Amino acid sequence: GENVEQHPSTLSVQEGDSAVIKCTYSDSASNYFPWYKQELGKRPQLIIDIRSNVGEKKDQRIAVTLNKTAKHFSLHITETQPEDSAVYFCAASSEGTALIFGKGTTLSVSS
Amino acid sequence: DTGVSQDPRHKITKRGQNVTFRCDPISEHNRLYWYRQTLGQGPEFLTYFQNEAQLEKSRLLSDRFSAERPKGSFSTLEIQRTEQGDSAMYLCASSLDWGLAGGNFYNEQFFGPGTRLTVL
Repeated sequence: GENVEQHPSTLSVQEGDSAVIKCTYSDSASNYFPWYKQELGKRPQLIIDIRSNVGEKKDQRIAVTLNKTAKHFSLHITETQPEDSAVYFCAASSEGTALIFGKGTTLSVSS
Repeated sequence: DTGVSQDPRHKITKRGQNVTFRCDPISEHNRLYWYRQTLGQGPEFLTYFQNEAQLEKSRLLSDRFSAERPKGSFSTLEIQRTEQGDSAMYLCASSLDWGLAGGNFYNEQFFGPGTRLTVL
């Protein structure tokens, strides 16, 4: 079955810096890769996703890149703000089935 | 509120008791998923439905766990003879089947607020 590895587990940056979180997956059949943000005590919220027919997608300060050959994808947050502090999860799935999540990255943005 | 809802939000029970949770998906979504999340971990897949059919169950789902979606709308997750290891946040998510979205692959899953289970 699919296995998703996520690094780093914790990330501390200064406000205004960029943050990068990386994930690798094992199942070459996976073709959908979402990223979720989860604040303490709240539900995971989808922030951006990418499908296997696209190499990069951007939404304001957030971008995701996908390298299908290497089976890895990354989340890039530019100009970080304190409200970006949260736990971020990557996930992978194929053909609309269950999401397999990474273990999460705790991002702390200090002002 | 047109999002995914779950009930109850919190449940405290004694070991050995049975518990049942309910999930109401977004109304037009035909896929419904159950996940379990423990502290410091990502959500772990348990099972999912397309309409009323249960299409996949994780090996994490022991025979003490059963899920139903009788009319293809809301779903229930029951845990029998609860154990302390069952303590976790139980999350429900829903999505729209790709075929209904005009042929474009579409698996954006929207999560509910979760039910936090504590087994004493």
